[in-house]
Amino acid sequence: GAVVSQHPSWVICKSGTSVKIECRSLDFQATTMFWYRQFPKQSLMLMATSNEGSKATYEQGVEKDKFLINHASLTLSTLTVTSAHPEDSSFYICSIMGLGAGTDEQYFGPGTRLTVT
Amino acid sequence: GEDVEQSLFLSVREGDSSVINCTYTDSSSTYLYWYKQEPGAGLQLLTYIFSNMDMKQDQRLTVLLNKKDKHLSLRIADTQTGDSAIYFCAEREDSSYKLIFGSGTRLLVRP
Repeated sequence: GAVVSQHPSWVICKSGTSVKIECRSLDFQATTMFWYRQFPKQSLMLMATSNEGSKATYEQGVEKDKFLINHASLTLSTLTVTSAHPEDSSFYICSIMGLGAGTDEQYFGPGTRLTVT
Repeated sequence: GEDVEQSLFLSVREGDSSVINCTYTDSSSTYLYWYKQEPGAGLQLLTYIFSNMDMKQDQRLTVLLNKKDKHLSLRIADTQTGDSAIYFCAEREDSSYKLIFGSGTRLLVRP
């Protein structure tokens, strides 16, 4: 399967600041990337879907101006949490998908834990 | 809308079989998945099944699908302590690649 990395793995920031999280596909051309958030002991909730070179599609209830997604290349997508607040503290996970070898599986990154103080 | 449900917790003894159950609502789902998540980590795809299949076996894992009842199960044979984790089932919307996840089942394997 594809190898997906996220950076940073853990970040602590102060309320009101912005944080950028990177998702990289190390060995796979990711035509589509997904961003999820997971609250403690809960399931993953899809935030947005992005296709390389186009604007992201956000799920209902997710503020696109607060969670900025950039999918500039086939190997990198970034999620920027702007003006972060304590309620944004969560585990953010990206996944990638690409067409190749007849597979359309999603491969997940290891996640980024965001704590906003 | 789509909904995927799982029991929250399962405890088994090492060496026994584990069965994790999942129900879903979207009858048009074409793929159903099982993922494993260890503490503080991302998701690892364990296996998936096409909606036109009833069963799929992969080493210690057996997936059963009852499409009529919209019920999916994952059986882990000879469960080991390393299998302790949270297991998520997920369905994929037929019209997109969007995954809808269940709430996750925490599996605890006792020595």
